[in-house]
Order: sequence, then C-alpha cells, then structure tokens
Amino acid sequence: AQSVTQLGSHVSVSEGALVLLRCNYSSSVPPYLFWYVQYPNQGLQLLLKYTSAATLVKGINGFEAEFKKSETSFHLTKPSAHMSDAAEYFCAVSPGRFSSASKIIFGSGTRLSIRP
Amino acid sequence: EADIYQTPRYLVIGTGKKITLECSQTMGHDKMYWYQQDPGMELHLIHYSYGVNSTEKGDLSSESTVSRIRTEHFPLTLESARPSHTSQYLCASSPGNSYEQYFGPGTRLTVT
Repeated sequence: AQSVTQLGSHVSVSEGALVLLRCNYSSSVPPYLFWYVQYPNQGLQLLLKYTSAATLVKGINGFEAEFKKSETSFHLTKPSAHMSDAAEYFCAVSPGRFSSASKIIFGSGTRLSIRP
Repeated sequence: EADIYQTPRYLVIGTGKKITLECSQTMGHDKMYWYQQDPGMELHLIHYSYGVNSTEKGDLSSESTVSRIRTEHFPLTLESARPSHTSQYLCASSPGNSYEQYFGPGTRLTVT
C-alpha cells in the first residue's frame, strides 16, 4: 500500500525567499515520486519526477526535490520565490513498474502563497 | 508538451439530466484516467483504462460510467446528474512505458 502526506495545507513566503514544501511517503515497494503544480481553474502540470535514478531531481520553473529514503521524504524546494509560483502543489507516489496501471496516489495538496 | 483536451470546461446543469464529459488525447497513450477533485481538495481516482475496451473502477466509488472504444477518447457519463456530483473532473493519460500522467484542463461541473 502507498500513501503520501503533505505537511502544511498552506504555506506563505515572501517574494525572493526560499520555498520549502514538505512531502513524506509510505510505500511497500521502491516508489516513483512526483510533484505536480495546479494553477487556478487548470489541470495538473508535472514539475518533476523521481524514478530511482539521481536522488536530487531538478524540474521546471527552478524547482528541485531530493529523495531521502532514510527519511521517506521528497521535499520540494526553490531558492527564490516568484509571484508566479503561487499555486496548489501536489506530491504523489506510484508503485511504478510494480503496477501495470501506473496508478498514482496524490497528497492532499499545499497551497503556496507569495507575499510581495 | 502533452496534448490532452477536455470539453466542456464549465457546465451547469439541472438535476436528473444525462451528461457526458469528453476527454481526448493525441499522444497515442494507452492508459487514461478520470479523477474527481473538490475545491481545495486532493484528487480521487474514479476510473481508469489500460487500453481499448478496458475500463476499471478507481479508488473512489462513483455513479459515473466510462467507455474506451478508441485509444484517443475516454468519455465519462452521468446518467442522472445530482447536486452531489458537483465537482471538478480531471482527465489524464500515461504512455505505456512511463509512469507519469499528463492532465487535461478539467471540467468544472455544477448540478443545480
């Protein structure tokens, strides 16, 4: 069984500050992990993914995430927040090759607000 | 960039009406998915498909039905809409040799 926990339903940072969105996972098999972003009234866009290669994963829009097996974490970071980063962010886990359906389990989401 | 389309984007309809939400993708992906998402809430998988003529129910029970007659098309139907069906419905697809999913823009359904 797999699950994802996103710590903090709402995070607010100042423009130019570090962004840190926390995600912890539970998985009975080596997981594939994802971060998606959702802007208002839109679908989800893939930010980055971890599929058992490099543990530090770089994504679009300057975001990156580090897979830490010992901590079962996959936190999302960005060194300097921009106003355009305001959105809902979802962490997700998949059993990858252990599931023929490629099902993904999503976290409950974290709303990121940017203060001017 | 993924090409997956959903129509309509917004729909307001009365109770008891039959509705079909359309989802199409031009990438030739084998796997397709429907999610239900309430405002500010997580996504719940309601249906998925491995390929043509294959459909499965997801983790969240839903009164909707789906069909997969063509690879590129995965419509969702509600035979009799009710206010409890008010939600956003997101369609996604995934290629056979990959595990990430690509999402459409969503349909926001309101049943009055």
